[in-house]
Amino acid sequence: NAGVMQNPRHLVRRRGQEARLRCSPMKGHSHVYWYRQLPEEGLKFMVYLQKENIIDESGMPKERFSAEFPKEGPSILRIQQVVRGDSAAYFCASSRSDTEAFFGQGTRLTVV
Amino acid sequence: QKEVEQDPGPLSVPEGAIVSLNCTYSNSAFQYFMWYRQYSRKGPELLMYTYSSGNKEDGRFTAQVDKSSKYISLFIRDSQPSDSATYLCAMKGIGLIFGTGTLLAVQP
Repeated sequence: NAGVMQNPRHLVRRRGQEARLRCSPMKGHSHVYWYRQLPEEGLKFMVYLQKENIIDESGMPKERFSAEFPKEGPSILRIQQVVRGDSAAYFCASSRSDTEAFFGQGTRLTVV
Repeated sequence: QKEVEQDPGPLSVPEGAIVSLNCTYSNSAFQYFMWYRQYSRKGPELLMYTYSSGNKEDGRFTAQVDKSSKYISLFIRDSQPSDSATYLCAMKGIGLIFGTGTLLAVQP
């Protein structure tokens, strides 16, 4: 049973471009959480999704950021018109409804 | 007040010491409690998962939950230099909320 898969592991984008981060949850997991982490800082909650539904997006900036978790395929975190301040590690975790959550290895986004 | 409070450390202990890591929380709706370990530039790794008050042991690790006090702890016995990492508590209610993490350094 493969773990949570995130790709790409590293992503470089120029200012103004779009960044698409993908997260494939563990088999049988229908809950996905996205977090952002700056160097030497903790995990900051962004969004919590279940299949085809956004449950809580209170941690996600209103502008430029969006997330989806379609019926088929991975969850996508999309950042439009990236700025230098978006440079960070983005982690996703997945779980079943009432069980522990497992993390992927993250995507490190660098905006140049 | 933050939903989850965790002392950021850093915490430095000698090899072989018992380490105590703690978190407090304010939301009574939290039902499930987890501890993760994160090495630098890696994803968090699940260490312990519990959903009831009391103790849960796994090798050198013991997780303790006191729901009446809204307080959880992770104890590490016979700490090793390889335990040096950031330890994050997490709580699950509607979503999954993390503490800020405690940086632990175990000195050989």
